[in-house]
Amino acid sequence: DAGITQSPRHKVTETGTPVTLRCHQTENHRYMYWYRQDPGHGLRLIHYSYGVKDTDKGEVSDGYSVSRSKTEDFLLTLESATSSQTSVYFCAISERAGYNSPLHFGNGTRLTVT
Amino acid sequence: AQSVTQPDIHITVSEGASLELRCNYSYGATPYLFWYVQSPGQGLQLLLKYFSGDTLVQGIKGFEAEFKRSQSSFNLRKPSVHWSDAAEYFCAVGAVNNNDMRFGAGTRLTVKP
Repeated sequence: DAGITQSPRHKVTETGTPVTLRCHQTENHRYMYWYRQDPGHGLRLIHYSYGVKDTDKGEVSDGYSVSRSKTEDFLLTLESATSSQTSVYFCAISERAGYNSPLHFGNGTRLTVT
Repeated sequence: AQSVTQPDIHITVSEGASLELRCNYSYGATPYLFWYVQSPGQGLQLLLKYFSGDTLVQGIKGFEAEFKRSQSSFNLRKPSVHWSDAAEYFCAVGAVNNNDMRFGAGTRLTVKP
């Protein structure tokens, strides 16, 4: 299995509080992604990174920001959490651009915003 | 942008029976197609992929999928299902120069003993 660690695995937070989720990889892959998984929607891309300090928005980026200061770490921040951001968040990595390179996923972070 | 439809939300099959999970995509050019499987509490694992060439692709765990351009489909098949195949299956489509791979909503497979 690809070396991807997501932390925390579970988190409960209150509306309006900031939250940061961490993804750490040991594969030295260039591309890293944050997805959210919701029933009936499958997985939707939030943000992705194509290198250190290089990031771009995905389909559902509103309310989220990301940072990548090192190859191995990709952080997802919810500046002010809302109940609509209750979801399971997955980090993924790939060697090449995602359209033609399989994604390797972490085990997810379950976030509940009360 | 490209999109994927998985028409079946939930499918139940008996152990040993054959399986076909449907996937339809929308994209104007040749797509890059994937099937992933997710076991409870886990991330997604790649089953197989189609980029070009032979339209019948083989994957892990005895799965195969057939790309049919005329039907915009990429259906997943397995001749004989095992109880361990119970999981959720996702079809995904990638497009050239677009890192926003699109996933279907998933099909949950239940296997009856």
